[in-house]
Order: sequence, then structure tokens, then C-alpha cells
Amino acid sequence: DVKVTQSSRYLVKRTGEKVFLECVQDMDHENMFWYRQDPGLGLRLIYFSYDVKMKEKGDIPEGYSVSREKKERFSLILESASTNQTSMYLCASSLAVPQQFFGPGTRLTVL
Amino acid sequence: AQKITQTQPGMFVQEKEAVTLDCTYDTSDQSYGLFWYKQPSSGEMIFLIYQGSYDEQNATEGRYSLNFQKARKSANLVISASQLGDSAMYFCAMRAGGTSYGKLTFGQGTILTVHP
Repeated sequence: DVKVTQSSRYLVKRTGEKVFLECVQDMDHENMFWYRQDPGLGLRLIYFSYDVKMKEKGDIPEGYSVSREKKERFSLILESASTNQTSMYLCASSLAVPQQFFGPGTRLTVL
Repeated sequence: AQKITQTQPGMFVQEKEAVTLDCTYDTSDQSYGLFWYKQPSSGEMIFLIYQGSYDEQNATEGRYSLNFQKARKSANLVISASQLGDSAMYFCAMRAGGTSYGKLTFGQGTILTVHP
């Protein structure tokens, strides 16, 4: 079974802190994605990566950056967390098959 | 640009009855894929069903079927014989063709509540 894990289920940070959200997949997938989920808005793509060290902006990249140094790991970085980044963050990975496989999500609260 | 619209914020259904969750999409691509995911209160996203734009038959997976009407750009999910465990948020999503690397565009979601 494909497994996508995220470093934390719940995270509380203060405004201005640098925040790292980690995602690891164990199935050698090329493609990895970071989404944020907000009520009434569904999931929106922040960044994605199609290979090691390769990244592309999604629909809402402002305030975020990413890092992919190894194929299995994709990190989302909030350089200076703000309250409007309080959200559920979901990581996903995929190969050639149509579907994406999702991690359990990280619920981030920025105070 | 791709767009997915789910117009039903919430739906209620009686246990053992069928329910249809609506999804319309907009894309200029000829090749695309449509997905439905289920998200229980625990938060994980569970893949339910997939329909390719060139698939001639509607996709089915157990109690789930996708009513694909290409001319109307709709991809409704039909759940037959609803169970209490079907209560969850449901998302419709689309993957565009070309070099999109499998990016998905999601709808707003529909919360389904199954009553005993």
C-alpha cells in the first residue's frame, strides 16, 4: 500500500515564526503536491514538484516556499507565519496512475 | 483554466437510499480525468472513483458510480444503498491533460449526512 505521512497532525505556531511541514512518501513517486483546505473553498494547490529539486507554483503560492532534496520528501515552508495561514494542509503524491495519494493532513493554527 | 463546481453545500439521505452528488466542470482540454474523493471527519482523503474523458462507459466501483455526461460537462457521483459510514465530505476533482503533472483542481465539497 502507498503510504504518505506528514510530520504533525496538529501544529500551533505564533505569528512571524518560520514553519516547516514535512511530507514523506514510500512509493518512489515523482510527483508531490501541497494543498491547503479551507471551508467553502475546497482544496487549493500551493506548490507541486515533479522531480527532485524541481518545483512549480500552484494557484496560491504567496507566503509559501517548498523544498525537495530527496525524491521521497517534500517540505512546505512558511517563511513568516501569519494568521491567514491557519488552515488544514494536505500533502499528496502520484506516479503515472491517475489518482493522487494523500497524507493524513496537518491542521495548523497560527496565533 | 480548469474549474470544478459543486453546488450542494450539504445533502441528507436516509440509510439504504441512493443519493446523487452534483459536479460540473469547465475545461478547454480534450483529455482530462475526473475524480471523486471522500473525506471523513478524521481528515484523510479517500479515493473513490475515476473517469477518463475518453472512457465511453460510466465508471463504477462497488456502490459508487460516476454519471458522466460529457456534453453537459457534468460528473455526478451516485452512491447506492447509503450507509451510516458514508457520512463525510465529498470532493469532485479534475486533472487536466498535457504536462500538468497530475495537478488536481477541486470543487468546494459537499457534506453528506446519512440518517438512520
